[in-house]
Amino acid sequence: AQSVTQLGSHVSVSEGALVLLRCNYSSSVPPYLFWYVQYPNQGLQLLLKYTSAATLVKGINGFEAEFKKSETSFHLTKPSAHMSDAAEYFCAVKGGSEKLVFGKGTKLTVNP
Amino acid sequence: DTEVTQTPKHLVMGMTNKKSLKCEQHMGHRAMYWYKQKAKKPPELMFVYSYEKLSINESVPSRFSPECPNSSLLNLHLHALQPEDSALYLCASSQVGLALITGELFFGEGSRLTVL
Repeated sequence: AQSVTQLGSHVSVSEGALVLLRCNYSSSVPPYLFWYVQYPNQGLQLLLKYTSAATLVKGINGFEAEFKKSETSFHLTKPSAHMSDAAEYFCAVKGGSEKLVFGKGTKLTVNP
Repeated sequence: DTEVTQTPKHLVMGMTNKKSLKCEQHMGHRAMYWYKQKAKKPPELMFVYSYEKLSINESVPSRFSPECPNSSLLNLHLHALQPEDSALYLCASSQVGLALITGELFFGEGSRLTVL
């Protein structure tokens, strides 16, 4: 079975500061990992995905994430936060034929 | 712009009403999903259709009835709902085959349902 833990339900940063959203996973098989973003009153949009190719994954809007097997982590980063990055971010894991499992989400607030 | 279109965006219904949510995609995807999302929670899987056949039902109450008339359309029929069913209902689609295994989903913007 797979599971995801997102550390911090709420992260607040200043505009221009580093964004770091933490995600740890558990999977009995090699996992596929995802970060989705949800803006207010909208559906989920895929930011980036890890599917066993490069461990450093670049996504849209300047985000990237690094798969670290030894730490079972897939943290999301962005060097410089923008006001438009304010949203809810979900980490998700899928292993084999099992269903996609979402973390509880992290709400990112960007202060001017 | 999302390539998965959901209608209506908002729906208010009484507990005795019958209504439907609709979802349409034109990406050639053959897997379609319904998720339920409560405020400040992650999406919860309800149903999965693969090649227009129901492949997963996550023990959803029978007052929710899914239908997949063709490969582009997915409906969710609602009847005798309870106030606790108020939520954002998200439709998603994915390719079958490798993409179904890797889990990449394309979501619509959702239908916000309020049950009075």
